[in-house]
Amino acid sequence: DTAVSQTPKYLVTQMGNDKSIKCEQNLGHDTMYWYKQDSKKFLKIMFSYNNKELIINETVPNRFSPKSPDKAHLNLHINSLELGDSAVYFCASSQGDRVRGEQYFGPGTRLTVT
Amino acid sequence: AQTVTQSQPEMSVQEAETVTLSCTYDTSENNYYLFWYKQPPSRQMILVIRQEAYKQQNATENRFSVNFQKAAKSFSLKISDSQLGDTAMYFCAFMKSYYSGNTPLVFGKGTRLSVIA
Repeated sequence: DTAVSQTPKYLVTQMGNDKSIKCEQNLGHDTMYWYKQDSKKFLKIMFSYNNKELIINETVPNRFSPKSPDKAHLNLHINSLELGDSAVYFCASSQGDRVRGEQYFGPGTRLTVT
Repeated sequence: AQTVTQSQPEMSVQEAETVTLSCTYDTSENNYYLFWYKQPPSRQMILVIRQEAYKQQNATENRFSVNFQKAAKSFSLKISDSQLGDTAMYFCAFMKSYYSGNTPLVFGKGTRLSVIA
């Protein structure tokens, strides 16, 4: 069973389009995250979300929005895609009250904007 | 804000040899966790090893061990008996204690490790 899954794994789209990436975790975790990995492999947090609060990295454009239909899902919506949005996007989850703090990552979604 | 620095963009090591990857971090927190993640060409992020800051004993996981120096804010990864499958990007990451609030990982820029046969 896949712990954290993302769909699609690859996404090619044109500038100006709106797209979504889905994330699901079956670990019963209460906190989910979206990270962006740029072309230089640098990983940076975009959003942290649990059932209490959404923390948004202030550098993330408001064209990006997380939506959580339930505790097991955190989808990423992107409006008006730009060339600079091309990257790999990782979803992750963790159980916030566990001392060990490990985050489990999905396989990533490679987004290419042409 | 926390920062993580990996000063070695690329490293190589002969198969069966030992290699050490460096990581330093900056924080004013007293309770936190440190991690090394491995990212092979498949791009999957794989946890290699973790260290709780309150533990003085260095963590070990089979061929992987860390040298955690809290006062120096240093957290290096040693890979013993290197194998071809260890070829990957390695990321050092910092996380505040959960009790400090929402806790995303802060990553270094990574070290690309190549194991040579």
